[in-house]
Amino acid sequence: IAGITQAPTSQILAAGRRMTLRCTQDMRHNAMYWYRQDLGLGLRLIHYSNTAGTTGKGEVPDGYSVSRANTDDFPLTLASAVPSQTSVYFCASSPQEGSTDTQYFGPGTRLTVL
Amino acid sequence: DQQVKQNSPSLSVQEGRISILNCDYTNSMFDYFLWYKKYPAEGPTFLISISSIKDKNEDGRFTVFLNKSAKHLSLHIVPSQPGDSAVYFCAATYGGSQGNLIFGKGTKLSVKP
Repeated sequence: IAGITQAPTSQILAAGRRMTLRCTQDMRHNAMYWYRQDLGLGLRLIHYSNTAGTTGKGEVPDGYSVSRANTDDFPLTLASAVPSQTSVYFCASSPQEGSTDTQYFGPGTRLTVL
Repeated sequence: DQQVKQNSPSLSVQEGRISILNCDYTNSMFDYFLWYKKYPAEGPTFLISISSIKDKNEDGRFTVFLNKSAKHLSLHIVPSQPGDSAVYFCAATYGGSQGNLIFGKGTKLSVKP
């Protein structure tokens, strides 16, 4: 069982380009999340999805979009990347959207926008 | 405005001694707290949690204490081991938040042999 996989592992991207970060889980978890981790700022929630077909905005959603066409996949898209989006991006999932459900994290994607 | 604060960016402890990592929060609605551990180039992994109806939760070498009146929690690691060297994140959430976690900035723990 792989758990959560993210692709690519790292990417260098020119400003203005479009980029999709992929996230797949094989645990049949209902809820999925995207976070970014910046030095000195911890992890901040970008978008979330409580179940397939629904999405919601987190703390820092601007410049990002998500979709949840099925249970397993939760891609994050940067329509037009900017340098401030340079960060490490983590995808996570949990069985339900309840507050006591443990979230399981993927290994992360390191994105550099030049 | 930070709702979850970890005021110590780093902590260094000798192997075998106790490590105490602290976390403060400001939002009274938080009713569930978690600690995550993160090694370099890996995603965070869940370590231990505590509900607001408790003041202590223990799991092996790890104990989390919650002081609701002070809006403070702490993670104790006894005895500390070199493999515990990692960044520790405190996180909080509440019922109705749809599982959204609010993280602190993290504390880097170094356990020296």
